[in-house]
Amino acid sequence: GAGVSQSPRYKVAKRGQDVALRCDPISGHVSLFWYQQALGQGPEFLTYFQNEAQLDKSGLPSDRFFAERPEGSVSTLKIQRTQQEDSAVYLCASSLFGQSDEQYFGPGTRLTVT
Amino acid sequence: AQKVTQAQTEISVVEKEDVTLDCVYETRDTTYYLFWYKQPPSGELVFLIRRNSFDEQNEISGRYSWNFQKSTSSFNFTITASQVVDSAVYFCALSVLYGGSQGNLIFGKGTKLSVKP
Repeated sequence: GAGVSQSPRYKVAKRGQDVALRCDPISGHVSLFWYQQALGQGPEFLTYFQNEAQLDKSGLPSDRFFAERPEGSVSTLKIQRTQQEDSAVYLCASSLFGQSDEQYFGPGTRLTVT
Repeated sequence: AQKVTQAQTEISVVEKEDVTLDCVYETRDTTYYLFWYKQPPSGELVFLIRRNSFDEQNEISGRYSWNFQKSTSSFNFTITASQVVDSAVYFCALSVLYGGSQGNLIFGKGTKLSVKP
């Protein structure tokens, strides 16, 4: 079956631009997670959705980061007024229920801010 | 606070050698889960295994085996008879259910494994 998909795969933005990153989770998966992975590092948690409810956004680094999942399936991570330090790979993962089920990851979106 | 340490940054072996990737975790929670993920050069994280804190039984899956020891807070991963296709970055991760966490993964920094022919 189809896995988690993300688009675009690559995004180059000029500093100050807004970007929107999309995640299509596995159909029927209740939980959706966003992670940020800097070069040479492990992924770091950004935010978590259970269906359409954003239950945890403690990992979002600033108020320039915003995520939504309005219908409980597709999710969008938006970054406003991008900065160079936002350059990273943004990974989306979904799990059937959450609560420490295995998470299935998408291929990620590599964001480069110039 | 929770933390995962993978002390080995890079390991290089020759094909058919056995290799062990170390993982040490820290948590005060009694209920937690441990994971290993593989990240090949393509970049997509691939789930390998999940263990819960109440099950210390070691597990073997083909050439892969995992050794979970609560006494030393370790969850080590061994690849037997390594192959070139095993070359990737391997991440150990921890998930707790309490303290406000919803099960998000806390990753180590990863160990880059290079298997040479």
